[in-house]
Amino acid sequence: GEDVEQSLFLSVREGDSSVINCTYTDSSSTYLYWYKQEPGAGLQLLTYIFSNMDMKQDQRLTVLLNKKDKHLSLRIADTQTGDSAIYFCAESIDGQNFVFGPGTRLSVLP
Amino acid sequence: GAGVSQSPSNKVTEKGKDVELRCDPISGHTALYWYRQSLGQGLEFLIYFQGNSAPDKSGLPSDRFSAERTGGSVSTLTIQRTQQEDSAVYLCASSLERGGGRHGKLFFGSGTQLSVL
Repeated sequence: GEDVEQSLFLSVREGDSSVINCTYTDSSSTYLYWYKQEPGAGLQLLTYIFSNMDMKQDQRLTVLLNKKDKHLSLRIADTQTGDSAIYFCAESIDGQNFVFGPGTRLSVLP
Repeated sequence: GAGVSQSPSNKVTEKGKDVELRCDPISGHTALYWYRQSLGQGLEFLIYFQGNSAPDKSGLPSDRFSAERTGGSVSTLTIQRTQQEDSAVYLCASSLERGGGRHGKLFFGSGTQLSVL
């Protein structure tokens, strides 16, 4: 079945770049997403990328997709304390059914 | 409303009792999803409603779980005879149209933290 894997924890220093990695198994994935969950809140879509793209940049966020290796990454430049949250990778074949990873808890140290 | 609203935000119950969790999606959103988030786990899909179509119940873990969506809007997730392993955060999400539109964007509520003692 479809599976999405992420490392569970990441710690970085304020001002450094954070790179959160994700691997997925379904080569038919059409849409790949990054969601952010702050404490006590629901998930919020940060960005998404179509499978026919290699990279997408949005302000401090850069998404890289290696379709051959089924690897997705999210780079946050100049990481701030407000970026501390859980980041979920998700994939979908049809934009209707979604498979989420376990989430990566990002801790930003002063 | 401004966003997806879930109630209650916290629910503590005794093993064996029934609970009802409520979700008010964003007005006009035709698709509604329920997910379960357990500690250290990803989001586990439970059920999906789309307009007047029959719901996709393929994620419900047992027959103790059921959900309804009335009038294409508010949804209630019911767990009967709760067990300790049901303790989790239950998240509701809605989207504008089938598959969240072209980009599959889901809008999530803040969730209900269920604790079964």
